[in-house]
Amino acid sequence: DARVTQTPRHKVTEMGQEVTMRCQPILGHNTVFWYRQTMMQGLELLAYFRNRAPLDDSGMPKDRFSAEMPDATLATLKIQPSEPRDSAVYFCASGPEQGAFSVQETQYFGPGTRLLVL
Amino acid sequence: AQSVAQPEDQVNVAEGNPLTVKCTYSVSGNPYLFWYVQYPNRGLQFLLKYITGDNLVKGSYGFEAEFNKSQTSFHLKKPSALVSDSALYFCAVNGRDDKIIFGKGTRLHILP
Repeated sequence: DARVTQTPRHKVTEMGQEVTMRCQPILGHNTVFWYRQTMMQGLELLAYFRNRAPLDDSGMPKDRFSAEMPDATLATLKIQPSEPRDSAVYFCASGPEQGAFSVQETQYFGPGTRLLVL
Repeated sequence: AQSVAQPEDQVNVAEGNPLTVKCTYSVSGNPYLFWYVQYPNRGLQFLLKYITGDNLVKGSYGFEAEFNKSQTSFHLKKPSALVSDSALYFCAVNGRDDKIIFGKGTRLHILP
């Protein structure tokens, strides 16, 4: 059964290091979302792609975070340099094919990457 | 701007009793409404959605939700709670800008 996959599942790193998280959306899905979840802030939308083009990254700290989709089967989220406050669980989600003017429906979430920055 | 509110951080219910998890929304136009559930150390899982039609929507695991346009609410309900229903529940809304907005989540504890 089709699933969103994320790697790594866990990452421990030191402050200042680069972190790269990867996501493989469900084959055929054309929307991809990156979320961050913390106890304090809950679930925050970081970035949103449709057909590999970034549509909204207003929730992402631009100075250190970047999100890309090099191809339809891979989305990446990078943090450089990482800071302790970036410690969180990062989720990727994908959604099925949508027309240009249709509304996003169900999202399918990956298992998340649990990041700890020391 | 669209928004969604879950007024309760936590809800405690005895096993076998009915449960309700509350959600209210604000959106221009007709809303798309969703409930997702998150079990420990897992990603969110889709539970049910309202797009149009019957105001009572049935979903997975015996859950249902009632869309109330006049009260702008979409409360999640289940007639008889199970201990295994204990999880974090998220309400979400999508208005016109093709982006789903999630609430802060409500932690549901079912007491044996």
